[in-house]
Amino acid sequence: EVQVVESGGGLVQPGESLRLSCAASGFTFSRHWMSWVRQAPGKGLEWVANIKGDGSDKYHVDSVKGRFTISRDNAKNSLHLQMNSLRAEDTAVYYCVRDSGNWALDYWGQGTLVTVSS
Amino acid sequence: DIQMTQSPPTLSASVGDRVTITCRTSQSINNWLAWYQQKPGKAPKLLIYKASTLESGVPSRFSGSGSGTEFTLTISSLQPDDSATYYCQRHTNYFGGGTKVEIK
Repeated sequence: EVQVVESGGGLVQPGESLRLSCAASGFTFSRHWMSWVRQAPGKGLEWVANIKGDGSDKYHVDSVKGRFTISRDNAKNSLHLQMNSLRAEDTAVYYCVRDSGNWALDYWGQGTLVTVSS
Repeated sequence: DIQMTQSPPTLSASVGDRVTITCRTSQSINNWLAWYQQKPGKAPKLLIYKASTLESGVPSRFSGSGSGTEFTLTISSLQPDDSATYYCQRHTNYFGGGTKVEIK
């Protein structure tokens, strides 16, 4: 059974850092692009970043470039999002998501809440 | 950037009704379009990919169509369990604003 499970969310102050992790199981992790998608309270979905299966390509939405970095450890079947210089507008539920390879995101974690507030 | 415009933002319909949600894009995206269903407090669930292919396990009352810049998600006979917000997505990085479907 495919599973992706996020961890690492919490309450931080503006300007602080946080590292999100995602543990994947039930599939060959290194064969799939992986994404982080976030959802601010009461708002829609926003793609944040994605990374190729071998880690050689990665992309970030403009609003987080220079502050967030996506990475992966295929030996440990894990995905990460290093978030620095956090802002109030980064407050959201962050989802770890598998790319199906068919132009869609097919497996979503339960999400981890990041709250940036003083 | 590609703009994704979903309509309507909300709709209210009765059980058994045929429901259609539209997603328009600012430029052609071929058929790189997916539809997701999200219920309150839950993660989104993939319904349709490549504009019209039904994800495994999704009820056949859901269907997708379109290409280029205009796409539709249709629920042929609305069920109580379909109360949710629906999002379109141009893979990977553009989501529509969502359509909230309520049951009358």
